[in-house]
Amino acid sequence: GAVVSQHPSWVICKSGTSVKIECRSLDFQATTMFWYRQFPKQSLMLMATSNEGSKATYEQGVEKDKFLINHASLTLSTLTVTSAHPEDSSFYICSASTTDYNSPLHFGNGTRLTVT
Amino acid sequence: EDQVTQSPEALRLQEGESSSLNCSYTVSGLRGLFWYRQDPGKGPEFLFTLYSAGEEKEKERLKATLTKKESFLHITAPKPEDSATYLCAVQARNSGYALNFGKGTSLLVTP
Repeated sequence: GAVVSQHPSWVICKSGTSVKIECRSLDFQATTMFWYRQFPKQSLMLMATSNEGSKATYEQGVEKDKFLINHASLTLSTLTVTSAHPEDSSFYICSASTTDYNSPLHFGNGTRLTVT
Repeated sequence: EDQVTQSPEALRLQEGESSSLNCSYTVSGLRGLFWYRQDPGKGPEFLFTLYSAGEEKEKERLKATLTKKESFLHITAPKPEDSATYLCAVQARNSGYALNFGKGTSLLVTP
């Protein structure tokens, strides 16, 4: 159980275009979803926290107008990278949580974004 | 500010050579300490959660322990398939569900 599906697994886009990444909880309802970013050989850095039906909370230094997050249902959150630039190239990973604090966060398999 | 420091950054072991990975942390009110395994190009895979000092958990060749300042992930008689990056993360009482990760230890087990 507790499967988180992320799509696409990789995407290449041109500078200036927008890219949408989907994160779905397949067998549980995710009241909270998290979006992380990971650079090579670096730790996962939390970008934002989203709760179903409300606005996302962004970490300091993360541009909310560039990284649009929508959490429209208890099983789906999306991250849209708007007007992408090469420096946005990274590995983006989502995770999902239920309301049970004793339940660990489960992660998707990540999306490798390359902006050319 | 919460901090998580993992050591060593990289570790190379021969198959069967047991060792330990370290995770030192400072956090204002620990709710839980998590260990994950991450394979290249994949998301983290959950291994353990530890909640209080003195707690231990085991899974196959892995055993995680927790004190008030650090956690160890002991690997007994590792196999090549244990090669991966092992991530430690803390969850603070005032952070909701968010995890604060260390940089990880990259483990390579050679036959």
